[in-house]
Formats: sequence, C-alpha cells, structure tokens
Amino acid sequence: SYELTQPPSVSVSPGQTARITCSGDALPKQYAYWYQQKPGQAPVLVIYKDSERPSGIPERFSGSSSGTTVTLTISGVQAEDEADYYCQSADSSGTHVVFGGGTKLTVL
Amino acid sequence: QVTLRESGPALVKPTQTLTLTCTFSGFSLSTSGMCVSWIRQPPGKALEWLALIDWDDDKYYSTSLKTRLTISKDTSKNQVVLTMTNMDPVDTATYYCARIHCSGGYYMDVWGKGTTVTVSS
Repeated sequence: SYELTQPPSVSVSPGQTARITCSGDALPKQYAYWYQQKPGQAPVLVIYKDSERPSGIPERFSGSSSGTTVTLTISGVQAEDEADYYCQSADSSGTHVVFGGGTKLTVL
Repeated sequence: QVTLRESGPALVKPTQTLTLTCTFSGFSLSTSGMCVSWIRQPPGKALEWLALIDWDDDKYYSTSLKTRLTISKDTSKNQVVLTMTNMDPVDTATYYCARIHCSGGYYMDVWGKGTTVTVSS
C-alpha cells in the first residue's frame, strides 16, 4: 500500500527555521496537507493543498512541493510550535487517504 | 460553527463489534464536496486513516481494514456511523471523526476531540 515517509524527529532552537519533509511517489499528482498535534489534543490543519494556510494559522507556517517531496517550513520557531506534525495525501487513484508516520518537532 | 463529536463504548471485548457515532453540526453532508472521515491513533503512535463517506454516499476504506469496516450516514440526524468487527487489543486507540473536503483532494479541516476505545477481556 502507498506510504508517505517523514523523519521521526527534527530539533531546532527558538527563532530558527524548522523544515519537515514528506516523501511519496504520488505527491506530484496529489496535494499534500499538514497537521499539527499537541499532546492530548486532536490534530489541527496548518497547511492545505501543498502551500495554502488556513485562516488563523500564523504566517510562519508555510508549505512547498518539489517532485515527490513536500516540505513544511516553520520560520522563527517558537516554543509553542513543539508538537507532532503529520503530512497527509492520497494515493495515485485518489480514493485512499494516507498519513505519514509523523515528525516530532522539539524546540531546544 | 462546525463541530463534530464522537461517541461509543470506552471498552470492548476481543472479537466484539465496535460501533462509533459521529454527530456533527454546522455543515451538511448533502453538500457537494463534503465528506466525513474516521481516523484512529493508537497510544504513542501515528494517525491512521480508516474510512470516509461522501455527500453522494460513496464510501472508501483503508485497504488493510476494509474487510472489517462499514461506514454509513444518516443525513437527517447529521450522523456518521462506523462499525469495526472482530476487535482485537491492537485496535486500542483514540478514534477521531473529521469533516473532510473531498473535491480536488482530501483534507480534514475540523476534527472531533476523539473517543478512546480500549479492547480488553
């Protein structure tokens, strides 16, 4: 079955830029979406359609796409950004939703 | 304001069937491009997509769980029901429902708080 691959962890100091990647063969054909999940809470959508930001999401969150890899970038990381981040897309048929394995962002 | 709330048993025994209900408000599942999805998350593990149902009553299931899952909707009650048969301790997880935009891609913009299900004898 189709898989999305993320690094298990990323660490950055406050004020630096964090980049979290997600790789999948169908990403050139399917949009990618990103969710932030803090402990004990439901996920929150932070990026949709590769690079669009929902209302209420800070401008420091951005998304980009290049070939089979999409990237979530958090500029000027703050302590409150420490969370798990999941990418999500669909398989090439567009009928199955897939999540990546998640990346734990640690703010040092 | 869009809200979703999951309900169902907190504890089920192995081999039993789990039935979960998602009750939502603030949108209509009759609207083109609207779907509701179920997602689960075992303790300390990643999100796993389970199933979705769209405005036209089309249903899509996780390939690995397809034989055990059934999703249905009651538009008049604003509810979506998920059943999972033959429950096993590995199915212990928090189960979420979410509104999903399913036209030109799939993304979940509003989630319920989740309901925790433990499978144990």
